[in-house]
Amino acid sequence: SAVISQKPSRDICQRGTSLTIQCQVDSQVTMMFWYRQQPGQSLTLIATANQGSEATYESGFVIDKFPISRPNLTFSTLTVSNMSPEDSSIYLCSVDPWGQGRGYGYTFGSGTRLTVV
Amino acid sequence: AQSVAQPEDQVNVAEGNPLTVKCTYSVSGNPYLFWYVQYPNRGLQFLLKYITGDNLVKGSYGFEAEFNKSQTSFHLKKPSALVSDSALYFCAVSASEGNNRLAFGKGNQVVVIP
Repeated sequence: SAVISQKPSRDICQRGTSLTIQCQVDSQVTMMFWYRQQPGQSLTLIATANQGSEATYESGFVIDKFPISRPNLTFSTLTVSNMSPEDSSIYLCSVDPWGQGRGYGYTFGSGTRLTVV
Repeated sequence: AQSVAQPEDQVNVAEGNPLTVKCTYSVSGNPYLFWYVQYPNRGLQFLLKYITGDNLVKGSYGFEAEFNKSQTSFHLKKPSALVSDSALYFCAVSASEGNNRLAFGKGNQVVVIP
């Protein structure tokens, strides 16, 4: 299965600043996903990123707050903009290595633990 | 839209005893079901999946899960728990048609007591 490198692994940021999280995959994948895991909670899908098109955001998430880039089939970034303490979460990227788009063994990165102070 | 219920917040089990983590799901059409494990300060690791075929699926680290369509359940099991199995376990479901989003349960903290 695909191997994902995600960085940074953790960061402490000042409110009002922005952080860009990178996700690098060792193989070409069609679909990449960004999730948020708030403290003590489950994973919530932020958006789906396909190469060559705008990301598709889930309800409650907007591009101005979470801009996403997908410049090629192995790389994506998620930016958390104008951060507030409520943005403190673990952010994970995920890929669908079989390109089935049906959850065939989604693979996850190790996550970015973000603390906003 | 699909959803998952993991009714217990925490599962405590003695080392060497059988471990069961419960999961029920709701989805339109046929479900694709997954279990993931999350160790402290780590990402999610894939354990096993049910897509089609045999209802009993075997995965990593000696875990298995049984798909029960009539009860809409996909409970995770391990015959003999290890202290190293202590972690957070997530059940997830995707649909075979329509919305293909992967919906996660809230997670179960498993504590294996030496």
